[in-house]
Amino acid sequence: EPEVTQTPSHQVTQMGQEVILRCVPISNHLYFYWYRQILGQKVEFLVSFYNNEISEKSEIFDDQFSVERPDGSNFTLKIRSTKLEDSAMYFCASIEDRSNNEQFFGPGTRLTVL
Amino acid sequence: RKEVEQDPGPFNVPEGATVAFNCTYSNSASQSFFWYRQDCRKEPKLLMSVYSSGNEDGRFTAQLNRASQYISLLIRDSKLSDSATYLCVVTHSGGYQKVTFGIGTKLQVIP
Repeated sequence: EPEVTQTPSHQVTQMGQEVILRCVPISNHLYFYWYRQILGQKVEFLVSFYNNEISEKSEIFDDQFSVERPDGSNFTLKIRSTKLEDSAMYFCASIEDRSNNEQFFGPGTRLTVL
Repeated sequence: RKEVEQDPGPFNVPEGATVAFNCTYSNSASQSFFWYRQDCRKEPKLLMSVYSSGNEDGRFTAQLNRASQYISLLIRDSKLSDSATYLCVVTHSGGYQKVTFGIGTKLQVIP
């Protein structure tokens, strides 16, 4: 069964460092998403991406964040200068198309900022 | 008012019980509605979409009331494996552009 994969599973970084979280969505999917979940809190929408551009972003997704689909398979989330409050689980998700409701989530990357 | 509001629980129920979760949403322009399940420290997984006419999948029944901006999930004959957090999810701005999750309702099914 096709699945969304994410690497690394756990990333530890120092405050102020840049991190890149990687996702490989399901190959025939067209819509891509990043979410974060701070421990004990709700899943929060960060950004949606379609046709090589951002289609929607939340208030959380400020200038420190960027997304890219550098090739036909990877979808990345970059945090330029990490802060302590960026520590969270980051989930990538994808949807095949608008007629198919199900978002397939990756297993997540746990980001710890020290 | 929160965009998507759920009672965080926990709901502790015995095996075999019927349990119902509710969710309210604030944006009347919301277009699509879902229930997801999330196990501890795992990714959310789709349980079922929610349609205006109501829909059922085995022991699970979902209802949507657009007038009251209210969604429900009913689980019959609870199993131990149903223990998880149930997330109410709402999308707007064209259906798939912005997605809002509720805090989730934690269910613990007790032997």
